[in-house]
Amino acid sequence: GAVVSQHPSRVICKSGTSVKIECRSLDFQATTMFWYRQFPKQSLMLMATSNEGSKATYEQGVEKDKFLINHASLTLSTLTVTSAHPEDSSFYICSAGGSSGGPETQYFGPGTRLLVL
Amino acid sequence: AQSVTQLDSHVSVSEGTPVLLRCNYSSSYSPSLFWYVQHPNKGLQLLLKYTSAATLVKGINGFEAEFKKSETSFHLTKPSAHMSDAAEYFCVVSDPSNDKIIFGKGTRLHILP
Repeated sequence: GAVVSQHPSRVICKSGTSVKIECRSLDFQATTMFWYRQFPKQSLMLMATSNEGSKATYEQGVEKDKFLINHASLTLSTLTVTSAHPEDSSFYICSAGGSSGGPETQYFGPGTRLLVL
Repeated sequence: AQSVTQLDSHVSVSEGTPVLLRCNYSSSYSPSLFWYVQHPNKGLQLLLKYTSAATLVKGINGFEAEFKKSETSFHLTKPSAHMSDAAEYFCVVSDPSNDKIIFGKGTRLHILP
């Protein structure tokens, strides 16, 4: 099946620094990528939807200036957590969708665990 | 608005016994429903999906789920649990108007030897 990678898998940073997380579709072109956040023992929450070459669409309550999303190519989307604080510590998961659309065509990355000290 | 409720946060079964993971949904539309599995340190994997065809859906690894409109349920079952089934399972409903997917809170399945 299709493979989606995330880098880094784990990151620890100091409060106030910015962290960039990469999501790559390795063997297919992803017109749409989704970013999720998963708090401990809770479900995944959709943060934003990004389409290649256009601005991301953020879910209600997600600060677009804090969580910067760039989808510059059909195989790469990045999520930058700016001025990270301890409350941003979480598990971030991306998924990449093919051009045929539909959630069943989404392939999920392994996730990035962010710990902000 | 659509939502999905997974009734159990943890389920423990003995190896070789049946598995039942419960999921109820709420949807204004004819929903598409999915079950995903998440093994530790791995990405989410699609187990099976219901998209208005047959109400009994067979998935990978021996799992199946039955869509019951009258009960607004989509419970996941497997006749005989295997140790490798230990993981987190998510029930998911899809919003057909925009392809957004809404996750349940997950059920962690423990397999006892």
